[in-house]
Amino acid sequence: RKEVEQDPGPFNVPEGATVAFNCTYSNSASQSFFWYRQDCRKEPKLLMSVYSSGNEDGRFTAQLNRASQYISLLIRDSKLSDSATYLCVVASSGGSYIPTFGRGTSLIVHP
Amino acid sequence: DAMVIQNPRYQVTQFGKPVTLSCSQTLNHNVMYWYQQKSSQAPKLLFHYYDKDFNNEADTPDNFQSRRPNTSFCFLDIRSPGLGDAAMYLCATSREAEGEQYFGPGTRLTVT
Repeated sequence: RKEVEQDPGPFNVPEGATVAFNCTYSNSASQSFFWYRQDCRKEPKLLMSVYSSGNEDGRFTAQLNRASQYISLLIRDSKLSDSATYLCVVASSGGSYIPTFGRGTSLIVHP
Repeated sequence: DAMVIQNPRYQVTQFGKPVTLSCSQTLNHNVMYWYQQKSSQAPKLLFHYYDKDFNNEADTPDNFQSRRPNTSFCFLDIRSPGLGDAAMYLCATSREAEGEQYFGPGTRLTVT
């Protein structure tokens, strides 16, 4: 089983739709969780950190479910500009910090 | 203002010809990372430094080396590039371990 798994998609949705992605992780000792956005042939950019209590930033909501070992990203009212690949990153604390990326979920928002 | 800078943005090298990629940061972050990313794949961590403490991933080929002469700069040396080393190389920084990472724009390496 891979350490961090994501459905590669693509998720093809119309503008205004709500879309959700999940990311599962295998290491129960994982402590830090993030969502990054990566546009084609560009570098990943931090979208949001994921906190235990969940967090929201405008149209984006991130949740952490430790019991089932997954994090989620919800995008409401999708915009054309949301089209990108969304990468989750999971890391465990203590010792040497090793951030592990999922392979990403591709989102295509169409008119 | 650029915070993580990578040079060059595009690099073409010949099979077996050594190449050095550079990364600099203006964030004064303690941790610097080098990733390799191939098309449609996740970024793969090659090395990271916590200050001067070097950490090499177990599956990073010996062909890849790294140097961090000071807080601001970090280099990736590929001693004998093969065709399979063609990829985007991403440098990232974070203030502390477990923290958010900031990426440079990447260097796209082509091996001919």
